[in-house]
Amino acid sequence: DAGITQSPRHKVTETGTPVTLRCHQTENHRYMYWYRQDPGHGLRLIHYSYGVKDTDKGEVSDGYSVSRSKTEDFLLTLESATSSQTSVYFCAISSSDSPTYEQYFGPGTRLTVT
Amino acid sequence: AQKVTQAQTEISVVEKEDVTLDCVYETRDTTYYLFWYKQPPSGELVFLIRRNSFDEQNEISGRYSWNFQKSTSSFNFTITASQVVDSAVYFCALSEATNFGNEKLTFGTGTRLTIIP
Repeated sequence: DAGITQSPRHKVTETGTPVTLRCHQTENHRYMYWYRQDPGHGLRLIHYSYGVKDTDKGEVSDGYSVSRSKTEDFLLTLESATSSQTSVYFCAISSSDSPTYEQYFGPGTRLTVT
Repeated sequence: AQKVTQAQTEISVVEKEDVTLDCVYETRDTTYYLFWYKQPPSGELVFLIRRNSFDEQNEISGRYSWNFQKSTSSFNFTITASQVVDSAVYFCALSEATNFGNEKLTFGTGTRLTIIP
C-alpha cells in the first residue's frame, strides 16, 4: 500500500464546468503524476510534479492544469470540462529514495462529462 | 519519441496453459527502464517488474517470467500454468528520464488476458 488516495472516486459533470481532482499521499514522496486511461490508448501522462510548486507538462496536457502547494497533495483541474475528457484518471507517485523508481498508482477517479 | 507496442489486444487461454504477452519498444536512449503493470478487473494498477537496459538476464518470479532482448527491442512476459486470477489487462511501459531526477513512463495500449476455467 503506497498510501495514495484520490477524490472523488466517481464524478459526473456537465460540459463547460471546471472540475478539480485531488491526489493525496501520506509517504512524503517527491514525484507525483497524473495519467488518464482511455480504451485503445493505455495510460497517458497529463502532468507531473517534481516538488512543491514544481510541475511540468506531459503528453496530453491541453485543457488541464495542476497545482502542488504541499508535498502530500497534487491537484488536477479541468478548466472547462469537455466530453473528450471523460476518462479514468490515475495519480501516481515515485521516490528518488527508492532504488527501483517504480511508480505506484492510486485507485483512480472515473470522470464522466455529459 | 518513445513508443511501446503491445500488438496483442486480447488473448484467451484455458487455465493451466502457458501464455506470453509481447512488448516491443522504441527509444533513442541508451539507458532506460522497462516495466510491466497488471490491472485486474477491480481497476487498480499493480507494479510487477522494472528492468534496466543494461540487464538482459531473464527474470523469474514464481509463475511469471520476463525475457528482455535488446537486439529485438522486446520485453516479453510469460505466465506459466495460468490461473483464473491472472485474468487482467497487462501494460508494458518504458521510462524516459527528465531533467528533474525522475522518469516519465510511456505505456503500451495493454493486452487483455482472459483465463478460461
